[in-house]
Amino acid sequence: GAVVSQHPSWVICKSGTSVKIECRSLDFQATTMFWYRQFPKQSLMLMATSNEGSKATYEQGVEKDKFLINHASLTLSTLTVTSAHPEDSSFYICSARGGSGGSYEQYFGPGTRLTVT
Amino acid sequence: KQEVTQIPAALSVPEGENLVLNCSFTDSAIYNLQWFRQDPGKGLTSLLLIQSSQREQTSGRLNASLDKSSGRSTLYIAASQPGDSATYLCAVRHSGGGADGLTFGKGTHLIIQP
Repeated sequence: GAVVSQHPSWVICKSGTSVKIECRSLDFQATTMFWYRQFPKQSLMLMATSNEGSKATYEQGVEKDKFLINHASLTLSTLTVTSAHPEDSSFYICSARGGSGGSYEQYFGPGTRLTVT
Repeated sequence: KQEVTQIPAALSVPEGENLVLNCSFTDSAIYNLQWFRQDPGKGLTSLLLIQSSQREQTSGRLNASLDKSSGRSTLYIAASQPGDSATYLCAVRHSGGGADGLTFGKGTHLIIQP
């Protein structure tokens, strides 16, 4: 159980265009979803936290107008990279959690590799 | 701000050896600590989750310990195999206010030589 999927698994886009990445919890309801970014040879960095039906909370240094997050249902969150630039090329990983208590575990998706040319 | 450090950054050992990966964190106010495995270009595989009230967790050849007061965790891998080669990440979930996501270390890149 506790499977999280992401789509697409990889995407190449031209500079200036927008890209949408989907994150789905397949067999549980995710009250909270998280978006992380990983640059080559670096660790994962939290970008934002989203709770179903509310606005996302962004980490310091992450532009909320550039990285649009929508968590419209308990099983789906989307990250849209607007006006993408080559420096946005990265590995984007989402995770989902079923509750807020300390015993709830985050389950990670397989990641989406974005390349902006 | 929570910081997670992993030592060593890289490790290469012959097959069959037992080994220890280290993780330290600066803020002991955590809900839990988790060890993950990441293969090149892939997502994360959760290995072990230790709640703040626990001292250790075991799964097969893996054993993770947690000393919350000193801000340390170790991942012990017994009888290492070439298939264990991957990057191992340690992450903590903060229990105070603010960000509710995980804070990750930079990982230990492990190579098991056949």
